[in-house]
Amino acid sequence: EDQVTQSPEALRLQEGESSSLNCSYTVSGLRGLFWYRQDPGKGPEFLFTLYSAGEEKEKERLKATLTKKESFLHITAPKPEDSATYLCAVRGTGGSYIPTFGRGTSLIVHP
Amino acid sequence: GAVVSQHPSWVICKSGTSVKIECRSLDFQATTMFWYRQFPKQSLMLMATSNEGSKATYEQGVEKDKFLINHASLTLSTLTVTSAHPEDSSFYICSASPTSGIRNEQFFGPGTRLTVL
Repeated sequence: EDQVTQSPEALRLQEGESSSLNCSYTVSGLRGLFWYRQDPGKGPEFLFTLYSAGEEKEKERLKATLTKKESFLHITAPKPEDSATYLCAVRGTGGSYIPTFGRGTSLIVHP
Repeated sequence: GAVVSQHPSWVICKSGTSVKIECRSLDFQATTMFWYRQFPKQSLMLMATSNEGSKATYEQGVEKDKFLINHASLTLSTLTVTSAHPEDSSFYICSASPTSGIRNEQFFGPGTRLTVL
């Protein structure tokens, strides 16, 4: 059974204070690891897909990295508008094509 | 690209009535769509997988007679909450994966807030 654990559950940062969110996973063959951003009262917004260990992707202040056991979402010099819940999900090569989601990390960036 | 819409964005109904929520993939085709439910400050809970042209697959504990899912075309899936009760009040979100290509991402709709009085 695929499992995803995100840490920390909540994170408070000052504007400009860089940090990282963690997504640890176990999966029988990785078909993809996905990062989403969700604002209150809205559906998740797709950010990145990572397929293999060593892969990195960037978008503005966000950078996602992947190893065989975990993924990090690095936030560089965050701004208050980066405040949101960040969700991680994995899809394995096992019979099910349904992705497994973590519980998310709630990020608050104070001005 | 990869836009998913939901309608309505919010709905208030009386207990005992039925409510239909539409999920559309606007610029891609999706053989499979997913329906999630989300309670405040909690993560997504998968309710069912909607397959175009066939019956939906429901997760354990989800009543298929209460949450009717129809996937009429490659761009439209509907969720009908039948005989709604206050405990059905929640945030319902759909998602879809493009049928073509090798991409595996899901793209989510904006969600529907259901309040049952």
